[in-house]
Amino acid sequence: EIVLTQSPGTLSLSPGERATLSCRASQSVSSSYLAWYQQKPGQAPRLLIYGASSRATGIPDRFSGSGSGTDFTLTISRLEPEDFAVYYCQQYGSSITFGGGTKVEIK
Amino acid sequence: EVQLVETGGGLIQPGGSLRLSCAASGFTVSSNYMSWVRQAPGKGLEWVSVIYSGGSTYYADSVKGRFTISRDNSKNTLYLQMNSLRAEDTAVYYCARSVSVAEYYYYMDVWGKGTTVTVSS
Repeated sequence: EIVLTQSPGTLSLSPGERATLSCRASQSVSSSYLAWYQQKPGQAPRLLIYGASSRATGIPDRFSGSGSGTDFTLTISRLEPEDFAVYYCQQYGSSITFGGGTKVEIK
Repeated sequence: EVQLVETGGGLIQPGGSLRLSCAASGFTVSSNYMSWVRQAPGKGLEWVSVIYSGGSTYYADSVKGRFTISRDNSKNTLYLQMNSLRAEDTAVYYCARSVSVAEYYYYMDVWGKGTTVTVSS
C-alpha cells in the first residue's frame, strides 16, 4: 500500500499569502496519478487537481499542482478567505489511498 | 445538474446491518465507476469500495467480506450493504462518481454530502 504523508499538518497564513502544501509518497506514484481535494467543515471533499497538475472544472487558477514520482505539491498563489480548509492528497496509481490532510488556517 | 444524495445512515448496534443508498441525477451510474469513501469523526478520508462500469467490484481490506457494493440501473442508484458492523465503521459515508483514466485507475470528481453511520450499543 502506498502511504501518503502530508506536511505540514497545519499551515497558519493570512489572506493574500502563498500556501505550499506537500504530499510525499512511500513509493513512486505511477503516471502521476495524484489528486488533491479541499474539504470545509461539514462539507464533502471537492476535487481540485487530478493527474498531479490538471485543474478540475471550475477551480480558480490560483490553485496549482506539481510534482512526480514521490513528491507532490499543491500551491495556492494568493489565499482567499474561502480557501481556509483542509486539503487532502490521494493517489490512484495503486489502489486508492489518501494522505492525512493539511489544515490551512487563518493566522 | 450532476448530483449525488446519500441516505440510509443511522445508529446501529454492533453486529447489525445497514444499507446505504446513493441516488444520482444528471448522469448515469452504470456508465461510470462509482465509489464509497468514509471519514471517521475527526479523521481523514478512507476509500471503502468501488464498482466499475463493467460491474467488477473491489473493497478495502477493512470491509472485505462484510460490505457489498451494488447498483440498480433502473433507479440510477448506488448501494452499500454493510453487515457485521463494528464500532470502527462509525463514519460519514460519501458516495462519489469516479473518473477512470484507465482500467483500475480513477479519481473522484463528484461527491455527495454524505450520510452518518454510528455503530454503538
